[in-house]
Amino acid sequence: AQKVTQAQTEISVVEKEDVTLDCVYETRDTTYYLFWYKQPPSGELVFLIRRNSFDEQNEISGRYSWNFQKSTSSFNFTITASQVVDSAVYFCALSEAEQGAQKLVFGQGTRLTINP
Amino acid sequence: EAGVVQSPRYKIIEKKQPVAFWCNPISGHNTLYWYLQNLGQGPELLIRYENEEAVDDSQLPKDRFSAERLKGVDSTLKIQPAELGDSAVYLCASSSFDTEAFFGQGTRLTVV
Repeated sequence: AQKVTQAQTEISVVEKEDVTLDCVYETRDTTYYLFWYKQPPSGELVFLIRRNSFDEQNEISGRYSWNFQKSTSSFNFTITASQVVDSAVYFCALSEAEQGAQKLVFGQGTRLTINP
Repeated sequence: EAGVVQSPRYKIIEKKQPVAFWCNPISGHNTLYWYLQNLGQGPELLIRYENEEAVDDSQLPKDRFSAERLKGVDSTLKIQPAELGDSAVYLCASSSFDTEAFFGQGTRLTVV
């Protein structure tokens, strides 16, 4: 069975600090996708990144970066120079590589609060 | 381009009453999902449609929950009768081939 664990329930930092959100996953599949979504107070889940299991290259997008390590089954997310607008709940998710569809298994989420 | 639209945004009902949620996916997206999100938890898949066919409803409590997706576009999720434990946010999402899932803002249900 697939499982995603986000051990950090809540994180609170001061603006401009760097912060890393941890994600550990379990799957028996050799091919799968990993995701990060952001859920602001408005409620909708905003897609941030998708990574397939064959691509272990780290990715950087502005202040966001992701570190995928198959050896430790982790897909961590770092925000550099955090801003108040980054405050939200962040979810890591896993899906089978079923062609054309995604059945997302989510972690419990990490509530990130950036204080001014 | 419009995103996934859900209505209503909020619903308060008494237990044992029926309730229905509506979802309009992004145009052209053939896959539609309903997720349940309990407070402080990640979303959990209830049902997935490919066009008008429910291809994964293993997590849908079929004794009280039902869903339909007529003509492979809009979808309705119904609960009858509602129980106190059904209080949660119901999220709809849609996707196209090999794209990520796009989510609506959800319907927050409170059963009293």
